[in-house]
Amino acid sequence: DVKVTQSSRYLVKRTGEKVFLECVQDMDHENMFWYRQDPGLGLRLIYFSYDVKMKEKGDIPEGYSVSREKKERFSLILESASTNQTSMYLCASSQAVGANVLTFGAGSRLTVL
Amino acid sequence: GQNIDQPTEMTATEGAIVQINCTYQTSGFNGLFWYQQHAGEAPTFLSYNVLDGLEEKGRFSSFLSRSKGYSYLLLKELQMKDSASYLCAVVQDTGFQKLVFGTGTRLLVSP
Repeated sequence: DVKVTQSSRYLVKRTGEKVFLECVQDMDHENMFWYRQDPGLGLRLIYFSYDVKMKEKGDIPEGYSVSREKKERFSLILESASTNQTSMYLCASSQAVGANVLTFGAGSRLTVL
Repeated sequence: GQNIDQPTEMTATEGAIVQINCTYQTSGFNGLFWYQQHAGEAPTFLSYNVLDGLEEKGRFSSFLSRSKGYSYLLLKELQMKDSASYLCAVVQDTGFQKLVFGTGTRLLVSP
C-alpha cells in the first residue's frame, strides 16, 4: 500500500522555537508538497519540490523554509515558530507526469504557544 | 490569481442524491480535482476532469464546463459514511503544475 508518512501527528511548541516537520513517501514520486489547512481557509500551498534539492514557493511561504536532500523526504522548517503558525500541516506527493494526483499524509497538528 | 467558490455546508438524507457545486476563476487552468476528507483524516482522491463533460465512477460523478468555470460533484444513493468534506481543487499551470484548493464543502448525511 502506497504511503506518505509524516513523522509527528501532534506537536506543541513555544513561540520562537525552531520546528521541523518531516515527510517521507515510498512511491518514488518526483513531486512533493507542503500545505497548511485552517478552518474557513482550506488547504493553502506553502512550498513544493519537483526534484531533489529543488524547491518552489507556494502561495504562503513566509515564515517557512523547506529541504529536499533525498527524493523520498521533504522537510518543512519553521525557523522561529509564531502563534499564527498553529495549524494542521499536510504533506503530499505526486508523479511528475499524468494527472498529478496527490497522495496525502495523515497530517501534523502543530500548536504554538 | 485564482478564486474557487463552493458552498460551506450541505445536508442531505441517506439514500438521496446531492450535488456539490464549484466555480472557479484561474489562469493557466489545466484540470479540476475532487477530494474527500473525513474529519481528522487526510484528503483522498475522488475524481479528475480535464475535458468538458461528465465522468462517472460508481455512486460518484463529476462534471466540468471549462467555458463556464464550473464543476459539480454528484453523489447518489447517499450513505452515512459519505458525511465528510468535499474539496474542489484546480490545477494551475504556471510553468509548474500546482493544485489550488477551495475551502471545501462539509456534507452531513442524516438517517
